[in-house]
Amino acid sequence: DVQMTQSPSSVSASVGDRVTITCRASQGIVNWLAWYQQKPGKAPKLLIFAASYLQSGVPSRFSGSGSGTDFTLTISNLQPEDFATYYCQQANSFPPFTFGPGTKVDI
Amino acid sequence: EVQLVESGGGLVQPGGSLRLSCAASAFTFSSFSMTWVRQAPGKGLEWVANIKHDGSEKYYVDSVKGRFTISRDNAKNSLYLQMNNLRIEDTAVYYCAREREYCSSISCSPFFDYWGQGTLVTVSS
Repeated sequence: DVQMTQSPSSVSASVGDRVTITCRASQGIVNWLAWYQQKPGKAPKLLIFAASYLQSGVPSRFSGSGSGTDFTLTISNLQPEDFATYYCQQANSFPPFTFGPGTKVDI
Repeated sequence: EVQLVESGGGLVQPGGSLRLSCAASAFTFSSFSMTWVRQAPGKGLEWVANIKHDGSEKYYVDSVKGRFTISRDNAKNSLYLQMNNLRIEDTAVYYCAREREYCSSISCSPFFDYWGQGTLVTVSS
């Protein structure tokens, strides 16, 4: 199975900051990576698919990049509604689909 | 607007069974593969199982193989997860999600674009 790691596990930030989250796969996954946002008590929400494609309706301050084993999610100009936990998920080698352990963005 | 609504969760003793349902609306259910993802209390996301649009292929995470069965009824726009021989470690919120594919010139890959609100399964004596 492809193992996913994320760093940092948590980050403290302020409104207006730029936040970068890194996701690493245990083997190459081309660009088959998605990013999800989850707020407490809510379902995950798709932000980015295929490493860099923004899901419809997601603000452009979210961006993704990377290929192979290393990927990043960048949130520019952090907004109050962006405080949440972010998960990466690989979709190159499945089953199983595997998620990263999550990165919590808080104040 | 696409909607997925899970039901069927609850409290069950170890070794017991539950059947989860996911009612889909506002899209052509029979055209999409579907997935179940779970989240143990305070933990991360774990993919559980998925099923092709026509039910022809089903896949499971190793920890539930032989105990869980995913199925669908396209006439009823519904997805199911039959969970037998439940263990304490199966305690989680279970989400159903729609799979959508993105295709490059070489290959295609799925991702989960819509999720239900989740249903809580608690396995405890």
